[in-house]
Amino acid sequence: AQSVTQPDIHITVSEGASLELRCNYSYGATPYLFWYVQSPGQGLQLLLKYFSGDTLVQGIKGFEAEFKRSQSSFNLRKPSVHWSDAAEYFCAVGAYGGSQGNLIFGKGTKLSVKP
Amino acid sequence: GAVVSQHPSRVICKSGTSVKIECRSLDFQATTMFWYRQFPKKSLMLMATSNEGSKATYEQGVEKDKFLINHASLTLSTLTVTSAHPEDSSFYICSARDPGQGASGYTFGSGTRLTVV
Repeated sequence: AQSVTQPDIHITVSEGASLELRCNYSYGATPYLFWYVQSPGQGLQLLLKYFSGDTLVQGIKGFEAEFKRSQSSFNLRKPSVHWSDAAEYFCAVGAYGGSQGNLIFGKGTKLSVKP
Repeated sequence: GAVVSQHPSRVICKSGTSVKIECRSLDFQATTMFWYRQFPKKSLMLMATSNEGSKATYEQGVEKDKFLINHASLTLSTLTVTSAHPEDSSFYICSARDPGQGASGYTFGSGTRLTVV
């Protein structure tokens, strides 16, 4: 069965420091991978997505993610975190051609930013 | 880009009443929409897949008689929580797939915070 694991429930980083949020997926075929950000009480905003091509994907707000098939990972990175980046981050895998074509989400990583 | 509008953003209702949540694709036609539920400090769980012109497909454990889904047009899907109880209080989010963006074209609504008192 498909699954997404985000090992870190909560991460705190200092403003200006670099950030890496981990995501591992389990899916037999070529995955479509996504990172979303959610501010409290808000919907989901797409940061970036990968479905083919260059394994290093650039997204909005200075985020990037690297798809590593050998590690079944799709970690999200940002070189310098801003206080406004504090939010919940969700990794998801889309299974086009699967039973429903919906997204399967990880449990999320809450990011706190220290001044 | 593709936009999905979800309404209302917040609703408070009394126990036993029904609440309807709307999800509209504004600039594309969505034959398939998805309804998710998010519990506090939890991930998003797929409730059902809404298919235009046919019955919705519900995930295991989701009561289809309680969470009524209607997808009467290519741009509108509705979720009605019937006879709501406090345990139905949650954050509900819809998403739609834009066929023009291929398999990766998912767009989410802004969510609805339902509080049942």
